[in-house]
Amino acid sequence: DAGVIQSPRHEVTEMGQEVTLRCKPISGHNSLFWYRQTMMRGLELLIYFNNNVPIDDSGMPEDRFSAKMPNASFSTLKIQPSEPRDSAVYFCASTEGQGMDNEQFFGPGTRLTVL
Amino acid sequence: DQQVKQNSPSLSVQEGRISILNCDYTNSMFDYFLWYKKYPAEGPTFLISISSIKDKNEDGRFTVFLNKSAKHLSLHIVPSQPGDSAVYFCAASYSGNTPLVFGKGTRLSVIA
Repeated sequence: DAGVIQSPRHEVTEMGQEVTLRCKPISGHNSLFWYRQTMMRGLELLIYFNNNVPIDDSGMPEDRFSAKMPNASFSTLKIQPSEPRDSAVYFCASTEGQGMDNEQFFGPGTRLTVL
Repeated sequence: DQQVKQNSPSLSVQEGRISILNCDYTNSMFDYFLWYKKYPAEGPTFLISISSIKDKNEDGRFTVFLNKSAKHLSLHIVPSQPGDSAVYFCAASYSGNTPLVFGKGTRLSVIA
């Protein structure tokens, strides 16, 4: 298995532009998580899905952030409009089952820079 | 408010010696704890976990100790190897059905 796939690996954009990050979870995994890593706040959970349904989006910082999971093999995290403070590494992770004690497998991350 | 704290941002250890990474938590509801390891330009990878019904879990060179009364856990790596140089994240959840809460990480450097 290729593991969790994220694209793009790097994104540089200008303030105000729309940014879309993509994630393909491991086949057969039914829970998907979006995290953001910054120096100040470490690794924060933004939102997670179970069976394609958003379960908890309390970590989404603002309405500028939205996430979708139209099917079991694809999810997007969109920022519109982007701001410099959104610059971070965004990780997607997936796991089998619903229990959080199942190992989460992380993708390589997307490094976002908003100028 | 940080519920999972890793107070040491970095740690340097000589090859062959023991590395001890510490983690404190504030939420007494947490009952499952994990350590993840992260290399540059890669996502975190699962290393070892422990349930609150145990106070120790061992996997090869890696041992995690849990002190529930102190709300403290630690990861011991013996012997440390240069390939262990990475950022280590402590994470916690409760009831197995809540999202993992991560610490900010500790950067371990193992010096040959």
